[in-house]
Amino acid sequence: GENVEQHPSTLSVQEGDSAVIKCTYSDSASNYFPWYKQELGKRPQLIIDIRSNVGEKKDQRIAVTLNKTAKHFSLHITETQPEDSAVYFCAATLSGGSNYKLTFGKGTLLTVNP
Amino acid sequence: GAVVSQHPSRVICKSGTSVKIECRSLDFQATTMFWYRQFPKQSLMLMATSNEGSKATYEQGVEKDKFLINHASLTLSTLTVTSAHPEDSSFYICSASSTRGTEAFFGQGTRLTVV
Repeated sequence: GENVEQHPSTLSVQEGDSAVIKCTYSDSASNYFPWYKQELGKRPQLIIDIRSNVGEKKDQRIAVTLNKTAKHFSLHITETQPEDSAVYFCAATLSGGSNYKLTFGKGTLLTVNP
Repeated sequence: GAVVSQHPSRVICKSGTSVKIECRSLDFQATTMFWYRQFPKQSLMLMATSNEGSKATYEQGVEKDKFLINHASLTLSTLTVTSAHPEDSSFYICSASSTRGTEAFFGQGTRLTVV
């Protein structure tokens, strides 16, 4: 089955700095790679996703890059703000129809210091 | 976006009792739903795949007789934790997508505490 590794487990940055979280996956068949932000006790919220037919996607301060050859993808957050503080999870799956059976990374606790 | 509703959001039960958690897709039909478990400060771990009209598929190490899953309609899947023990205390969360879905939608999660 799929295995997703995520690094770092904790990340502390100053407000305004950039934050980068990296993930690797094992199953070359995986084609969908979402990133979730989860606040304590709440459901994961999709913040950005990328499919295997593109190498980069950007949405305002958030971007994701995908290297299929190396089987890794990264989340980039620029101009970080204190409200970006949360746990971030990457995930991977082979999606098709309604099948979004996700394998998650272990998560990164991001702390943005004012 | 599509809405997935999970109920209850919190439940406290005594050891040995059973607890049922519901997961509903409110504005789409879901032939497949997924149940995850999340222990404190850990990631979401897939427990099982719930298939409408057929048996659920359980991940390795998950006891099917303890975690009963019923997906009786295209909008409802239930997870019943039977004979609950304190070690079953966790955050249980479901997800679903429509047939033409472009992403997974998560329920609010259920915080189960077994005392």
